[in-house]
Amino acid sequence: QSALTQPASVSGSPGQSITISCTGTSSDVGGYNYVSWYQQHPGKAPKLMIYEVSNRPSGVSNRFSGSKSGNTASLTISGLQAEDEADYYCSSYTRSRTAVFGEGTKLTVL
Amino acid sequence: EVQLVESGGGLVQPGGSLRLSCAASGFTFRSYWMHWVRQVPGKGLVWVSSMDSDGSDTRYADSVKGRFTISRDNAKNTVYLQMNSLRAEDTAVYYCARGGSYLQDAIHMWGQGTMVTVSS
Repeated sequence: QSALTQPASVSGSPGQSITISCTGTSSDVGGYNYVSWYQQHPGKAPKLMIYEVSNRPSGVSNRFSGSKSGNTASLTISGLQAEDEADYYCSSYTRSRTAVFGEGTKLTVL
Repeated sequence: EVQLVESGGGLVQPGGSLRLSCAASGFTFRSYWMHWVRQVPGKGLVWVSSMDSDGSDTRYADSVKGRFTISRDNAKNTVYLQMNSLRAEDTAVYYCARGGSYLQDAIHMWGQGTMVTVSS
């Protein structure tokens, strides 16, 4: 199972919005609404930010939103803040009854 | 406190074995799928293995199939990862993680990770 494709890096200024894409296939992202997004700060464990494409866990800011079109899922962060600077990973359930993560995207807040 | 605490990591020679443990607390352990995810320092997350709530269903990444075994003891609120025939490419931080009631559910909780280094 190959990793889902994410841009290596994205950047934005405080207050701006950014979008991170996550491209898979019809056997994973495109076939199921079980895409999740995780935030990871350096030296820390990942944290769930979005589950089932567009749902936010309790306690996650509504500045984070998710969507999906075909084989590509997206994470949008609006009103960028300094503390949003981190690595972001998407993940999807697959037809093989496994999970696959994305390659990861480093978000830099300028 | 709701938490997952991994242990058992360390330095092992190629071809050797290691067993990771993950102690859960603060939630009804026997109700959830449990997962192991690894991460080479500086690299991305990689799913390794999953087990359902009663231990009857297991899943493995192709890269570890036949070498790693996931198990759990619901009486002890602990999940394990037995790693045999270890290779240099298994070197990584190993995270224990709690899923949901179904395999396809997201990972809602992560441990702090334990480092495994395979080297002679």
